[in-house]
Amino acid sequence: EVQLLASGGGLVQPGGSLRLSCATSGFTFSTHAMNWVRQAPGEGLEWVSSFGGNGSGTFYANSVKGRFTISRDTSKNMLYLQMNSLRVEDTALYYCAKVVAWRGGGWTYYLDNWGQGTLVTVSS
Amino acid sequence: QSVLTQPPSASGTPGQRVTISCSGSSSNIGTNTVNWYQQLPGTAPKLLIYSDNQRPSGVPDRFSGSKSGTSASLAISGLQSEDEADYYCAAWDDSLNGYVFGTGTKVTVL
Repeated sequence: EVQLLASGGGLVQPGGSLRLSCATSGFTFSTHAMNWVRQAPGEGLEWVSSFGGNGSGTFYANSVKGRFTISRDTSKNMLYLQMNSLRVEDTALYYCAKVVAWRGGGWTYYLDNWGQGTLVTVSS
Repeated sequence: QSVLTQPPSASGTPGQRVTISCSGSSSNIGTNTVNWYQQLPGTAPKLLIYSDNQRPSGVPDRFSGSKSGTSASLAISGLQSEDEADYYCAAWDDSLNGYVFGTGTKVTVL
């Protein structure tokens, strides 16, 4: 059974930093892409970042590019999101999610398992 | 902001059919496959439909997806009270090099 457990959220002041972690189990972590997705209070889903399967690159939403860094430790089956220069608008519930992806004529790319989320609050 | 557009709300009585639209562009829906997620109140999103019209194991067959050009649709047949949730479409976007979600549709069972 696939399990994803996000942690590391909390209250931080604007301009501060926070590192989120996602502990994974039940699948071959190194071969799957992984995503962070966030949801501000009362709002919709927003994709934040992707770490490609087999180390095939990292991708970021324009809203976090240059401030957030996604990484992973395949020896520990852990996914991370380092968040710097945090802004009030980064306040959200952050989910980690496992990706299934392949390219035929176009991309088939979907998030088949989600963690429970960890809450980040940026406020003075 | 979202690049995939959905109606903010949809509703129906038990047993009715409800359809939710998702409008995108050539760089996302027009090129790549569409997925749908269901988010019940207070819970994490759950994959409902992938690759335009495929259901993961355990998803009832009253949920169906379709796609035409740069638009997609989710249909719920035989609406049930437990279907009351938020629904999001999503696809990879080649121009943004990222995954894009729809604006979300809240389904209410009257």
